[in-house]
Amino acid sequence: AQKVTQTQTSISVMEKTTVTMDCVYETQDSSYFLFWYKQTASGEIVFLIRQDSYKKENATVGHYSLNFQKPKSSIGLIITATQIEDSAVYFCAMREGRGSALGRLHFGAGTQLIVIP
Amino acid sequence: GPKVLQIPSHQIIDMGQMVTLNCDPVSNHLYFYWYKQILGQQMEFLVNFYNGKVMEKSKLFKDQFSVERPDGSYFTLKIQPTALEDSAVYFCASSLHEQYFGPGTRLTVL
Repeated sequence: AQKVTQTQTSISVMEKTTVTMDCVYETQDSSYFLFWYKQTASGEIVFLIRQDSYKKENATVGHYSLNFQKPKSSIGLIITATQIEDSAVYFCAMREGRGSALGRLHFGAGTQLIVIP
Repeated sequence: GPKVLQIPSHQIIDMGQMVTLNCDPVSNHLYFYWYKQILGQQMEFLVNFYNGKVMEKSKLFKDQFSVERPDGSYFTLKIQPTALEDSAVYFCASSLHEQYFGPGTRLTVL
């Protein structure tokens, strides 16, 4: 069975600091893809970053980076130099490989990030 | 990033009526999806669609639900008849690899 778990319901950080959000996943597939999205207060869902299971290097995009620990089935999102506009709900998601890019995303419950000025 | 559009943004209908939610996916994307999010809860997969066919659907995709994309136009989700428990925000997504989401349609069934 596939499952994505985010245990942190809410995190508050001071602006310009670094925050890490946790996510663990369960899958039987040897090939899978991990994603982080954020949902803004308006409800918009924005794709942030992706990690392919076969890649050892942690993905980095702008001030987002990932801490991929495959033996622990863990994919943490790190945001450096947080800004007020980073305040949102962050979702971790997983898609299994299946030989094509077509596949449902399994989402975690989300972590609300509050950035305090 | 790539933009997915959804029309309408809000829809209020009476239980038992039919509703069609419209999605304009990213033009070169091949795969299309509908997800459902009840307020404050997790995003749940409904269905995906490729090459004119439903490829996978979840238990939430009831018999009253249908999807189509006639002649490469809007990708639509139709619910007929609607039920109270269909009240939610419905998100369309499209992809080549990572999925890009539309802004959602908030459906309220009275």
